[in-house]
Amino acid sequence: DAGVIQSPRHEVTEMGQEVTLRCKPISGHNSLFWYRQTMMRGLELLIYFNNNVPIDDSGMPEDRFSAKMPNASFSTLKIQPSEPRDSAVYFCASRILAGEGNEQFFGPGTRLTVL
Amino acid sequence: DAKTTQPTSMDCAEGRAANLPCNHSTISGNEYVYWYRQIHSQGPQYIIHGLKNNETNEMASLIITEDRKSSTLILPHATLRDTAVYYCIVRRTINTGKLIFGQGTTLQVKP
Repeated sequence: DAGVIQSPRHEVTEMGQEVTLRCKPISGHNSLFWYRQTMMRGLELLIYFNNNVPIDDSGMPEDRFSAKMPNASFSTLKIQPSEPRDSAVYFCASRILAGEGNEQFFGPGTRLTVL
Repeated sequence: DAKTTQPTSMDCAEGRAANLPCNHSTISGNEYVYWYRQIHSQGPQYIIHGLKNNETNEMASLIITEDRKSSTLILPHATLRDTAVYYCIVRRTINTGKLIFGQGTTLQVKP
């Protein structure tokens, strides 16, 4: 099992540019989460999907952020336009949506730096 | 979801048991206690969870008090690789998976 795959692992961009982060969940998992981690705010949930449908996007900072899950094996988080305050590590996680107590498996993260 | 309180940091000697406390005095009957950890520069990793009974797996043991207002995560023989931030999270059973991470406890295992 390859685990949750995220790409790129590192991204450096300039303010105003569009940034797209990608995530491939573990095969068979049907719930996917996007988190952001900064020193100031810690680990925050941005949005999550069940069976490719967005369930809760209340953590998405503003309209510059958007997330999609076109199929069960792929999700994107897009920032347009990017700003320096978006600099953070972005994690994707997946789990099996069945019963209680099913843990989330996290990817290695994408470290985003916006100059 | 109930709020949790954890010490900011703890030290433990290598080979000794690490006991990490968590207070969740407002926990309700249908809320589980979860523990995750995050080793530096990696994504969080699930450790263990429980509802009422004590739980044990290959990584750790979880001791929940009878009133469920607090719990302790026990790493029986801590190694240097257990140095990490440990998060205690309380989640409702009807919730579809949303985890709210606090600041956690930074555990430093020393040789």
